[in-house]
Amino acid sequence: DTGVSQNPRHKITKRGQNVTFRCDPISEHNRLYWYRQTLGQGPEFLTYFQNEAQLEKSRLLSDRFSAERPKGSFSTLEIQRTEQGDSAMYLCASSLGRGAYGYTFGSGTRLTVV
Amino acid sequence: DQQVKQNSPSLSVQEGRISILNCDYTNSMFDYFLWYKKYPAEGPTFLISISSIKDKNEDGRFTVFLNKSAKHLSLHIVPSQPGDSAVYFCAAPFYGGSQGNLIFGKGTKLSVKP
Repeated sequence: DTGVSQNPRHKITKRGQNVTFRCDPISEHNRLYWYRQTLGQGPEFLTYFQNEAQLEKSRLLSDRFSAERPKGSFSTLEIQRTEQGDSAMYLCASSLGRGAYGYTFGSGTRLTVV
Repeated sequence: DQQVKQNSPSLSVQEGRISILNCDYTNSMFDYFLWYKKYPAEGPTFLISISSIKDKNEDGRFTVFLNKSAKHLSLHIVPSQPGDSAVYFCAAPFYGGSQGNLIFGKGTKLSVKP
């Protein structure tokens, strides 16, 4: 297992289009997190799963955002009707339990909405 | 309300000298803290953590100090190396929702000059 994998690495889309990102966590990790990072900011929490259950969603996650983690394995994050303000780096992380020794992050998906 | 604050956007030090990165927090309920390092185009990488019951944790060249009365922690890198040049994020777990997620500061960009 080589870590957390995210695809695609880069996505350029036109405003109003839908996009979907995929995250494959470390196989034995039961928790999976989505974060968003914009320029000059630290990662901001979006949502998290424990196994297949989505346990928490941030206020940043508007109705246009939806995340799934079928069967508690990989996860997808979909953004519908993209807006320019959605342009950011979307980071996925996983952990075993609470992650007191740190989450393992993927390399992220850079979204640019034009 | 930013619960984890890194007030220095950047820091420049000479190779071989000490780098000191600072972080302040507002929530006395945080029970541990973490530092992450991030290179461009990569996800954050866990560096070191400290429990709130300790005041120091050391791992090789990296030492984190925690001052609970001042709600302040710092990361010391000795000696600094050019490969340490990266953005460093301070983070703490937030339990206001369900099982917790990490809150990150805005980061400090460290440049180590040869």
